[in-house]
Amino acid sequence: AQSVTQLGSHVSVSEGALVLLRCNYSSSVPPYLFWYVQYPNQGLQLLLKYTSAATLVKGINGFEAEFKKSETSFHLTKPSAHMSDAAEYFCAVSAPGGATNKLIFGTGTLLAVQP
Amino acid sequence: GAGVSQSPSNKVTEKGKDVELRCDPISGHTALYWYRQSLGQGLEFLIYFQGNSAPDKSGLPSDRFSAERTGGSVSTLTIQRTQQEDSAVYLCASSFGIDNEQFFGPGTRLTVL
Repeated sequence: AQSVTQLGSHVSVSEGALVLLRCNYSSSVPPYLFWYVQYPNQGLQLLLKYTSAATLVKGINGFEAEFKKSETSFHLTKPSAHMSDAAEYFCAVSAPGGATNKLIFGTGTLLAVQP
Repeated sequence: GAGVSQSPSNKVTEKGKDVELRCDPISGHTALYWYRQSLGQGLEFLIYFQGNSAPDKSGLPSDRFSAERTGGSVSTLTIQRTQQEDSAVYLCASSFGIDNEQFFGPGTRLTVL
């Protein structure tokens, strides 16, 4: 079984500051891991994904995440926050190679960016 | 090309009524998923279709929920005898194959009065 824990339902940073959104996972098989972003009244957009290749994954809009098996973590970072980064971020896990590829989502982190 | 589309974007209904939500996946995508996003439960998987295989219905919360996918393309999620706890945003996603990126539609916001 898979599960995801996102620490911090709300994170606030200043514009230009480092963004760090935390995600820990649990999986009985080597997982695929994802970060999605959701802007108000919109669907989910994929930021980046880990699919067992490079452990440091670069995504869109300057975001990146590092898969750390020893820590069962997949934290999302961005060196310098922009106002446009304000949104809700979801970490998700799936179990590749199974009969389905459903995503198991964390509870989300709402990122606020202060001017 | 066009992304995943969903209709209606908003639906308000009265308790006890039936509703149908529609999803048009990206052309050529063989896998289609329904998820529900609600304040109490977060984002949760409902049902999955892959080609002609039997759907994975393991996420459907009750037998009032059903879904079909006709011709391997358009999908309809039906909720019978709606309850207030069914109020949520229903998201559809599609992917090309089972282990590939899922592309999400904008969702249908369902409000049950």
